[in-house]
Amino acid sequence: GAVVSQHPSWVICKSGTSVKIECRSLDFQATTMFWYRQFPKQSLMLMATSNEGSKATYEQGVEKDKFLINHASLTLSTLTVTSAHPEDSSFYICSARDPAGRDEQFFGPGTRLTVL
Amino acid sequence: GENVEQHPSTLSVQEGDSAVIKCTYSDSASNYFPWYKQELGKRPQLIIDIRSNVGEKKDQRIAVTLNKTAKHFSLHITETQPEDSAVYFCAASKGGSYIPTFGRGTSLIVHP
Repeated sequence: GAVVSQHPSWVICKSGTSVKIECRSLDFQATTMFWYRQFPKQSLMLMATSNEGSKATYEQGVEKDKFLINHASLTLSTLTVTSAHPEDSSFYICSARDPAGRDEQFFGPGTRLTVL
Repeated sequence: GENVEQHPSTLSVQEGDSAVIKCTYSDSASNYFPWYKQELGKRPQLIIDIRSNVGEKKDQRIAVTLNKTAKHFSLHITETQPEDSAVYFCAASKGGSYIPTFGRGTSLIVHP
């Protein structure tokens, strides 16, 4: 199947700083990627849909000015958590759809963000 | 929008027993139902999926059944093994450009 990578796998930062997370499709082009947030023992919550060459579509309740998404190329989407606070600590996962057009989604390995 | 309910939230079984996880969905237009397995701190991985034109699908020890009329689908794992211990998520989607809605997850614990 298609491979999606994320970097970094984990990050610890101080409150008030910004953190950038990269999501890459390694062996295919992804015009659309998805960003999820997962709190401990909870489900995957869709934050936004990242569209190559255009603005991201955010889910209700997700602050677009806090979670900046840039999908500058067909293989890279970035999520920047601005002015991070401890409540932003979570597991962030990106995904992309099967490039063959099937409905399957391929997930990245996730990024564990801890804000002190 | 779509609403997916998943039960139970926790399931504890003995090695060798069967495990069943159930999900219901609300949107009758949903036609794609994947199941994901997520180990602690790792990415969700697709283990099996089913489409609305099929009532049952099996892959070795894993099977999924779908009842479109009742709008529910289930994951069945037979002869469970300790390595089956993980969190399992169901999802429902209308396919194509639609984004799947995930259930809340079931933590499966298989005791040796």
